[in-house]
Amino acid sequence: NAGVTQTPKFRILKIGQSMTLQCTQDMNHNYMYWYRQDPGMGLKLIYYSVGAGITDKGEVPNGYNVSRSTTEDFPLRLELAAPSQTSVYFCASSQGMRTSSHEQYFGPGTRLTVT
Amino acid sequence: GQNIDQPTEMTATEGAIVQINCTYQTSGFNGLFWYQQHAGEAPTFLSYNVLDGLEEKGRFSSFLSRSKGYSYLLLKELQMKDSASYLCAVRDWEDSNYQLIWGAGTKLIIKP
Repeated sequence: NAGVTQTPKFRILKIGQSMTLQCTQDMNHNYMYWYRQDPGMGLKLIYYSVGAGITDKGEVPNGYNVSRSTTEDFPLRLELAAPSQTSVYFCASSQGMRTSSHEQYFGPGTRLTVT
Repeated sequence: GQNIDQPTEMTATEGAIVQINCTYQTSGFNGLFWYQQHAGEAPTFLSYNVLDGLEEKGRFSSFLSRSKGYSYLLLKELQMKDSASYLCAVRDWEDSNYQLIWGAGTKLIIKP
């Protein structure tokens, strides 16, 4: 049971380039999330999904896109990378949202630098 | 609006006890979580409170007072490995949806 896996671990992008951050979970969780974490700051929700085929915007969705074609995968797409997108990106999953089993399981993170 | 406050940094001595406070303002409170995050790593779940009172889990305890919008995480018998950031997060019901609001975290430094 690998839990939540993310690739790549590190990436340097030039301004204007695009990339996809991959996220996969093997716990059959319906809920998946993408966060960014800037130094000294809390986690900011970018997008989330409550199940395959359903996605919704979080607090900071501008500049990003997501898709959820399967329960397991939740890729995050960055179009036209900007220096403001330099951050650590975490993918997470949970069994539910409404109940006490809302514990989120996080992937190891992707450290992205845009120069 | 929604707001979560935690101290930015705390220092404690190995073997001692430390209390990390969290105050929050939300419109539809539905539970409070504590996560631990070691430097360069992902957050991991520590505790969950939805009713007032103390939840104990080994060396870690978490307390909640909903009327005061206040929680604390109590760490006993501190070990060097407890050096980490501790994140407070509140589940809030707003706009017909649940969401998790995260504090900025408290960096805990343990000294020998």
